Amino acid sequence: QSVLTQPPSASGTPGQGATISCSGSGSNIAVNSVNWYQQLPGTAPKLLIHTNNERPSGVPDRFSGSKSGTSASLAISGLQSEDEADYYCAAWDDSLNEMLFGGGTKLTVL
Amino acid sequence: QVQLVESGGGVVQPGTSLRLSCAASGFTFSSYGMHWVRQAPGKGLEWVAYISYHGTNEYYAGSVKGRITISRDNLKNMLYLQMNSLRAEDTAVYYCAKRLYGSGSYSYMALDYWGQGTLVTVSS
Repeated sequence: QSVLTQPPSASGTPGQGATISCSGSGSNIAVNSVNWYQQLPGTAPKLLIHTNNERPSGVPDRFSGSKSGTSASLAISGLQSEDEADYYCAAWDDSLNEMLFGGGTKLTVL
Repeated sequence: QVQLVESGGGVVQPGTSLRLSCAASGFTFSSYGMHWVRQAPGKGLEWVAYISYHGTNEYYAGSVKGRITISRDNLKNMLYLQMNSLRAEDTAVYYCAKRLYGSGSYSYMALDYWGQGTLVTVSS
């Protein structure tokens, strides 16, 4: 069981929006930056959002991140079929001295 | 362009050892901390280990501590993962990944480039 908690699944229809949550604690999300990764089927993970809300070059502005207290969220607007993937949040934990990943959320575009 | 190429995976018996390698190119390897992350078949991502850019600081997941050692050779641009006393639960694709910010606070630990992964299967 992951220390960062994500819903196992999320869904939306093309053009709509979807939000994925990530819940942590005072030793990880509350005090360290949150990063989000997208993993398309059969491929390596890709950095989607870093430092809570920063998009690397090439990531569409349909993807956005936010953080408040011990929780973070990934929002996707204007859903497209190619957004179907697994999404993971991650953060360093100061108590464990480990990097933590959420359990992952499978996004389905209906 | 940044490239990370893992190698060394394979099928091994429980209790044996294996060393994974990651060849890095396209960036100043000696300036960046590096990670190993694994993914068991059909499961999520699990962080394994981190080594600082100069190799002085190492951190490990509790599940592998004492059995796995991360190391690097900055002259050869190589990252390694020595795995001992392998167990069935170590079966996974192992990815090496580059830290976005080469050094500094662990608060900023985004991984901006990943290799394609190498599969390790531990089975009798």
